[in-house]
Amino acid sequence: KAGVTQTPRYLIKTRGQQVTLSCSPISGHRSVSWYQQTPGQGLQFLFEYFSETQRNKGNFPGRFSGRQFSNSRSEMNVSTLELGDSALYLCASSLSGAGGFQDTQYFGPGTRLTVL
Amino acid sequence: GENVEQHPSTLSVQEGDSAVIKCTYSDSASNYFPWYKQELGKRPQLIIDIRSNVGEKKDQRIAVTLNKTAKHFSLHITETQPEDSAVYFCAASTGFGNEKLTFGTGTRLTIIP
Repeated sequence: KAGVTQTPRYLIKTRGQQVTLSCSPISGHRSVSWYQQTPGQGLQFLFEYFSETQRNKGNFPGRFSGRQFSNSRSEMNVSTLELGDSALYLCASSLSGAGGFQDTQYFGPGTRLTVL
Repeated sequence: GENVEQHPSTLSVQEGDSAVIKCTYSDSASNYFPWYKQELGKRPQLIIDIRSNVGEKKDQRIAVTLNKTAKHFSLHITETQPEDSAVYFCAASTGFGNEKLTFGTGTRLTIIP
């Protein structure tokens, strides 16, 4: 199976602009989670989508939003970019099947966003 | 919410020696504990995980132990090799449809040849 893919891999934007990142999960995976990785804050959870619905949300401002399509592909959007939004944005997919334990999350290569 | 602490932040060991990284978590409802390895410029990759119904899991040179009472879990790498050099992250999740992973701050492991 192909792994998780993310596009674009690199982005340079200026403050105030908006950006859309895309994530294609492993075939058959229904859950897509997004994380922000920075040297100072580490890996922080943004949100998770399952069956086109946001199921979990982290502690990020409303400028960060996302959606999931019927084929499980997901996009995240950041509006009114700030310098502090510069980071590696990772998505991860999992089966999210039945049962009490979380399924393994597999990460994509990330999108490196630089805000100037 | 869940808080995961990871120690040490950096670790250097001689090739062939063992390395141990420790994590503690705060939410007693957490039941899934994965470990990820991230090489420079690469994506985090799962190396081993443990669920709360077992106390130890081993995969070749890598093992993870879980102490639910003390709320801590550890990664053990034996017979370290240069390719083990990377940043290692522990994480915790409460499961039950909650796909949120709370990560530790990472350990930069350097294997000295």
